[in-house]
Amino acid sequence: DIQMTQSPSTLSASVGDRVTITCRASQSISSWLAWYQQKPGKAPKLLIYKASTLESGVPSRFSGSGSGTEFALTISSLQPDDFATYYCQQYNLYPYTFGQGTKLEIK
Amino acid sequence: EVQLVESGGGLVQPGGSLGLSCAASGITFSGSAMTWVRQAPGKGLEWVSSITGSGDTTYYTDSVKGRFTISRDNSKNTLYLEMNSLRAEDTAVYFCAKDSSTALALWGQGTLVTVSS
Repeated sequence: DIQMTQSPSTLSASVGDRVTITCRASQSISSWLAWYQQKPGKAPKLLIYKASTLESGVPSRFSGSGSGTEFALTISSLQPDDFATYYCQQYNLYPYTFGQGTKLEIK
Repeated sequence: EVQLVESGGGLVQPGGSLGLSCAASGITFSGSAMTWVRQAPGKGLEWVSSITGSGDTTYYTDSVKGRFTISRDNSKNTLYLEMNSLRAEDTAVYFCAKDSSTALALWGQGTLVTVSS
């Protein structure tokens, strides 16, 4: 199985900050990497697919990069609505696997 | 309206069985692979199972192989997850999601399964 390692597990930041979350795959997944945002009690929301393609309706302050085994999600200027938990997921091979999550907290 | 709606969750004793459903609307269901993802209380997301659009190929995470069965009825636009020999560690919110080359873009609201005596 492909292991997905996300870092950091928790990130404290302020409104307006630029933040980056990283995700590493245990083997190459090409660009078959997605990023999701989840708020308490809600279903995950797709932000980025194919490593860098912004899902329709997602604000342009979100961006994704990387290929192979190293990936990143960047939020260019944090807004109050962005404080949530973020997950990466590989969908190159079954079993699909998720990172352990990054909780983005208000500093 | 484009949506997925799960149902069937509840409280079940260890060793018991439960069936989940996911009703799809507003999508071309028969052309869509579908996936179940679960989330234990306070934990992260875990992929459980997927099925192709035709239903002829299924995939499972190791911990549920032989106990869970994913299936679909394309005439009813409905996805199913039959869960047998349930364990305490199966306690989670179960989400269904539409699976494609654009990852899991459409999710249901989730249904809670609690395995406890």
